[in-house]
Amino acid sequence: SSELTQDPTVSVALGQTVRITCQGDCLRSNYANWYQQKSGQAPVLVIYAKNNRPSGIPDRFSGSSSGNTASLTITGAQAEDEADYYCNSRDSSGKHVYVFGTGTKVTVL
Amino acid sequence: QVQLQESGPGLVNPSQTLSLTCTVSGGSMSINGPYWSWIRQHPGKGLEWIGFIYYTGSAYYNPSLKSRLAISVDTSKNQFSLKLSSVTAADTAVYYCARVRTGTTNYFDYWGQGTLVTVSS
Repeated sequence: SSELTQDPTVSVALGQTVRITCQGDCLRSNYANWYQQKSGQAPVLVIYAKNNRPSGIPDRFSGSSSGNTASLTITGAQAEDEADYYCNSRDSSGKHVYVFGTGTKVTVL
Repeated sequence: QVQLQESGPGLVNPSQTLSLTCTVSGGSMSINGPYWSWIRQHPGKGLEWIGFIYYTGSAYYNPSLKSRLAISVDTSKNQFSLKLSSVTAADTAVYYCARVRTGTTNYFDYWGQGTLVTVSS
């Protein structure tokens, strides 16, 4: 099955911009989705189908993709954005198999 | 607002079957064709997709779990269920149920709060 690789940790100064990346061959043919998970809580969808935000998600969250890499950008990071972030996509097998990225811990300084 | 709630034993003996149920409220399980999924998270680790099911009963499983896994749906009760057989300590995890929206891509838009299942004697 496909793998999605993320940097384990990223830090950003309050109010600055941070980009989280997700790499995997399946991203060449499938969109990425992104989830935010705060400590002790269930994940929350923040971006779907590359760059769509669900209702209630601040517009400082945006997504993009190029080749085998998808990115989640937080423009003007806030203290409440400190969390783990996971990408997710469909496996490149063409079957209904789904994978999650390894996760990135974002620390807001 | 769709809400999902997991229920089931928090402790399972090794080699036994782990059984969980997810109750869906605030929306139909069949209208507009969402799938219904199980996802787990080992302690301190990342997310792992387990499988999902359509309201018709068609199910798709993670190949690594397929031989031990069964997901079923009961739309009359607005519930879907997970059964994982022959469990070991490696199946200890927080188990989440989630709704899968389909379209350009499939994504998990509503999640339950999760339930910790420990496999131990």
